[in-house]
Amino acid sequence: SQQGEEDPQALSIQEGENATMNCSYKTSINNLQWYRQNSGRGLVHLILIRSNEREKHSGRLRVTLDTSKKSSSLLITASRAADTASYFCATVPGNQFYFGTGTSLTVIP
Amino acid sequence: GAVVSQHPSWVICKSGTSVKIECRSLDFQATTMFWYRQFPKQSLMLMATSNEGSKATYEQGVEKDKFLINHASLTLSTLTVTSAHPEDSSFYICSAREGTLNEKLFFGSGTQLSVL
Repeated sequence: SQQGEEDPQALSIQEGENATMNCSYKTSINNLQWYRQNSGRGLVHLILIRSNEREKHSGRLRVTLDTSKKSSSLLITASRAADTASYFCATVPGNQFYFGTGTSLTVIP
Repeated sequence: GAVVSQHPSWVICKSGTSVKIECRSLDFQATTMFWYRQFPKQSLMLMATSNEGSKATYEQGVEKDKFLINHASLTLSTLTVTSAHPEDSSFYICSAREGTLNEKLFFGSGTQLSVL
């Protein structure tokens, strides 16, 4: 399978809480990226972490990468209703981008 | 940020007809474009990678005669679903990468194809 695996598949939290989603992958990578998709739309790039990095921050987003375990996590702090969307990790082993199975996040106002 | 325009947004067609989907990079040159297919509430499946001026590279299991990809210019790639059948109904999304140094993808808004 070209996909990585993400968990949980679905996550529902209250506004203000933190949301954590995980991504596991199979191949060696150059970098790993996280994207967001609103229903029925294209994806929007959120953050990129390179294979030699372990942690990266961008605003309310925090990404970690453990290449020995082939896993990554995305933390969204102080969630807002507008964060409701599906989140996908993308692994980039070479020239291709392969997306994980996604986590559907619902933030309840 | 860079903008990728994809159209049509949705199309309904009869079984046996061909459908063309266009993907344009509006304010940058896209040396590489990617075509994905997405089923409801599922992930994106990479169908093919297209580089300007060369033949597309298809992923295993994707019929290249069924899904024709043309990347004739640095700003335009097209996906033609030939002789469409109901099982081809899906959400198709294109994405583009600017040059070879920009590592992130810019996505079109997707095309919902329904084959009757």
